[in-house]
Amino acid sequence: QSALTQPASVSGSPGQSITISCTGTSSDVGGYNYVSWYQQHPGKAPKLMIYEVSNRPSGVSNRFSGSKSGNTASLTISGLQAEDEADYYCSSYTSSSLYVFGTGTKVTVL
Amino acid sequence: EVQLVESGGGLVKPGGSLRLSCAASGFTFSSYSMNWVRQAPGKGLEWVSSISSSSSYIYYADSVKGRFTISRDNAKNSLYLQMNSLRAEDTAVYYCARLELGFSFDYWGQGTLVTVSS
Repeated sequence: QSALTQPASVSGSPGQSITISCTGTSSDVGGYNYVSWYQQHPGKAPKLMIYEVSNRPSGVSNRFSGSKSGNTASLTISGLQAEDEADYYCSSYTSSSLYVFGTGTKVTVL
Repeated sequence: EVQLVESGGGLVKPGGSLRLSCAASGFTFSSYSMNWVRQAPGKGLEWVSSISSSSSYIYYADSVKGRFTISRDNAKNSLYLQMNSLRAEDTAVYYCARLELGFSFDYWGQGTLVTVSS
């Protein structure tokens, strides 16, 4: 199972919006609405930000939103804040009953 | 409060074995599927293995199949990962994670570092 493809880095100024893409295949991202997104600060465990493509867990800011079109899912962070600077990973359930993560995207707040 | 606490990591020689444990608290452990996810130093996340609530369904990534064994003891609220025939490329922080809605990992432990080196 190959990792889902994400851009290595995305940057934006405070207050701006940025979007991170996550591209897979019809056997994972395109085949199921089971895409989730995780935020990871250095030295910390990942934190769930989005599940089932576009749902936010309780306590996650509504500045985070998710969507999907075909084999590509996206995470949008609006009103970018300094605390959003972190690594972000997508994940998808697959047709083999397995799970696959994305390659990861480093978000930099300029 | 949901808590997952991993232990058992350390330095091991190539070809050696190690058993990781994850102690769960703050939720009904026996109702949830559990997973191991690892992260090599400076690299991304890699899903390793999954076990259903009653241990009926077990899955492994190709990279560890035949070498790693996941198990659980619901009476002890504990998850395990037996790692055999360890290789340098197995060096990573190993996280246990709970599987929740939409096949997402909603709670993670702090991780335990496994280093495979001679």
